[in-house]
Parts: sequence; C-alpha cells; structure tokens
Amino acid sequence: QVQLVQSGAEVKKPGASVKVSCKASGYTFTSYGISWVRQAPGQGLEWMGWISAYNGNTNYAQKLQGRVTMTTDTSTSTAYMELRSLRSDDTAVYYCARNDPDFDYWGQGTLVTVSS
Amino acid sequence: SYELTQPPSVSVSPGQTARITCSGDALPKKYAYWYQQKSGQAPVLVIYEDSKRPSGIPERFSGSSSGTMATLTISGAQVEDEADYYCYSTDSSGNHRGVFGGGTKLTVL
Repeated sequence: QVQLVQSGAEVKKPGASVKVSCKASGYTFTSYGISWVRQAPGQGLEWMGWISAYNGNTNYAQKLQGRVTMTTDTSTSTAYMELRSLRSDDTAVYYCARNDPDFDYWGQGTLVTVSS
Repeated sequence: SYELTQPPSVSVSPGQTARITCSGDALPKKYAYWYQQKSGQAPVLVIYEDSKRPSGIPERFSGSSSGTMATLTISGAQVEDEADYYCYSTDSSGNHRGVFGGGTKLTVL
C-alpha cells in the first residue's frame, strides 16, 4: 500500500533552517511528483511547491521563492523540503503529498516550531 | 496572486444537503479538487477533476463546476461529515502554481 512517512517534529530558532523528509513506499517513486503543503496553527492549507521525482523539476509558491528548496533522492525514494531563514510565522505542520495531479496520498505531517 | 474564495462556514442538520462553493477566475479552465480535513488529521481527497469521486468516498459526495464557481455537494450529510473542506486548483497564468481556498467549516447538527 502507498505510504508517505515523514520525519519527526523540529524546534528551530528564528533565522535557522529546517529540512523535512518524506519517505515513499508502495509505488514507483519516479512516476509521480511530490507536493509540500503547510498548515499554521488554526489556519488553512497553503501549497508550498512541487517537485517531479522523475527529473527534479520544481515549482515553488511565489512567496517562498528564495527560501525553499525541494529535492529528491531516488535511491531511497525520499523527498526533502528545506526552508531557510525561518520566522515565527513559519511555525506549522508540514505535509508531503503524492501529486497525480491531485494529492491522493499524504504524509502524517511534521510539526515545525520556530521560537527563540 | 491567484485566489480561491470559500465561505468560512456552512451548517446543516443531519440528512440535509450541504453545498460548499469555491470561486476563482481560472476555474473555467482549471479543474477543482476538494479535500476533507478532520481535526488533527491529514486531508483526504473527496473529489478530483471537478466531479470525480475516488474509490472509498461515499456516493453522497459529489462535485460540479460552472463558470468561475465549483461546488461540493454532500447529499444527506451525516454527523461524521463534520470537518473542514478545502478546494484546490492551479492558476492559469502558465506558472501552474497551486492554491487552496481558505477552507469551509461544515457543521452537521
């Protein structure tokens, strides 16, 4: 069965970086893209960007351009999302989702807390 | 930047029909997708490509789209359908960037 398993919760200081992983199983990793979606406490869903697991092409949300990098490691079927220059309003649950182009499978979410 | 607009809340009694709308300028050209999110859980896809229902989603969930508005309809809403619902689509500028609506809290009581 398709599964996306994300790395554990993180606590970071403002200005630091965080890298969240998303390990896929149960399907051919390179046949689908991965999108990242975040949700601040009590807020709605925010699309962050997409990466093709086939060729590494990316498409980022305009507001995160320059601070976010999405990568994949096809040898381990793992996608990564790195966010730099963290601010308090980056505190959120970060989800990865298989992109087909709908988001048919989701990871369990990773809480990233940015606090001094 | 492109936006999708949803009503903040919709309330129905059990067995009634709930309709949640999503408006966006690109919806005549782009599909709408709908996600259900219950408290503390990851979202679940309930409608894709405007009106298709994934396997395992109850038949009471349906979708439609006309012009700049997409609609999620829950016919005979159940208490367990109480959740936040989000529409999703992409802009038509050629950037193919995704966007979620602000979400609609469905109350069934």
